[in-house]
Amino acid sequence: NAGVMQNPRHLVRRRGQEARLRCSPMKGHSHVYWYRQLPEEGLKFMVYLQKENIIDESGMPKERFSAEFPKEGPSILRIQQVVRGDSAAYFCASSPLTDTYYEQYFGPGTRLTVT
Amino acid sequence: RKEVEQDPGPFNVPEGATVAFNCTYSNSASQSFFWYRQDCRKEPKLLMSVYSSGNEDGRFTAQLNRASQYISLLIRDSKLSDSATYLCVVNVGDMRFGAGTRLTVKP
Repeated sequence: NAGVMQNPRHLVRRRGQEARLRCSPMKGHSHVYWYRQLPEEGLKFMVYLQKENIIDESGMPKERFSAEFPKEGPSILRIQQVVRGDSAAYFCASSPLTDTYYEQYFGPGTRLTVT
Repeated sequence: RKEVEQDPGPFNVPEGATVAFNCTYSNSASQSFFWYRQDCRKEPKLLMSVYSSGNEDGRFTAQLNRASQYISLLIRDSKLSDSATYLCVVNVGDMRFGAGTRLTVKP
């Protein structure tokens, strides 16, 4: 049973370009979460999605950031017009149900570097 | 006040030592609690869930005090491989992570 998969593992973008980060949840998991971790800081919740629905995006910056989880295919975190401050590790996690007692399992992360 | 606060660390201990981490949370409606560990530049991995009655997994013991909104993790007979950052996590509908406490176990 493959774990949570994320790609690319490393992504370099110049300022103003777009970054697309992909996440495939564990088999049988229908809930996806995105987190951002800045260097030497803790994880910050960004968004929670189910298939074709955004459930909670309270942690998403108001501009340039968007996320989707289509009926088919991976979840995508999209960052438009990247700036240096977007450089961070972006982790995706999945869980089988929305029940708060269920643990989340993390992917290996995508390290975004904006030059 | 932060939603989840942890000992700032770092903790530097010799092999075989017992070390304890503390964590407090501010949301009394929090439903579930976890400890994760994160190795340098890797993803967080679930270490253990924390139950009201307290729970133990080998050398690791987790305790929860809902009245004081306090969670602890005790590591006995620490190993070099325990060196990592330990994250206290509280679920309030979505997961809230503490900033983590760094542990280094030295020979």
